[in-house]
Amino acid sequence: QKEVEQNSGPLSVPEGAIASLNCTYSDRGSQSFFWYRQYSGKSPELIMFIYSNGDKEDGRFTAQLNKASQYVSLLIRDSQPSDSATYLCAVKVSGGGADGLTFGKGTHLIIQP
Amino acid sequence: DAGVIQSPRHEVTEMGQEVTLRCKPISGHDYLFWYRQTMMRGLELLIYFNNNVPIDDSGMPEDRFSAKMPNASFSTLKIQPSEPRDSAVYFCASSRTGGADTQYFGPGTRLTVL
Repeated sequence: QKEVEQNSGPLSVPEGAIASLNCTYSDRGSQSFFWYRQYSGKSPELIMFIYSNGDKEDGRFTAQLNKASQYVSLLIRDSQPSDSATYLCAVKVSGGGADGLTFGKGTHLIIQP
Repeated sequence: DAGVIQSPRHEVTEMGQEVTLRCKPISGHDYLFWYRQTMMRGLELLIYFNNNVPIDDSGMPEDRFSAKMPNASFSTLKIQPSEPRDSAVYFCASSRTGGADTQYFGPGTRLTVL
């Protein structure tokens, strides 16, 4: 059974600091990894995706993937109050029609002004 | 281009009643997904379609749930009869292709079964 684990938080970070969000997954067949942001009462929106081991940067966001350790993380630099939200980690196993996402329960991030 | 459209946005019903949730995917997207989100279980995939054909319904909790996609621009998720434990936010999402393509989520339908 595919599982994605995240610390539920809340994770409190001062404004301007780096927020580090972590996720582990159980299925070694997982090929694609996604970070979604969800504001309270809203739908999830994609922030980043990563397929290969290493780092991927997009503006203030950096996704890190380590398939050997089955670990993926999201770093948010220069955190802003508007970054306060729940961050969902999702994984997908490629091939065989397995196109749906398996989500973690999310980490609630609070950026303190 | 309009995003994924869902209706109704809120639904309150009594136990035993039939509930129908509706979704219009983004035009040109071949994949449509139904998810359910609760505090206890998080966001779970219920079923998804490719070119209007159901591909994986292993996430559908029980026979009370059914989903259809009669054409490329419309899908329904039906619960009959509804139970209080079905209370959740139901999201529809669509993507242009499968694999690692981005899934775009609709605003969700908040269902409350009394």
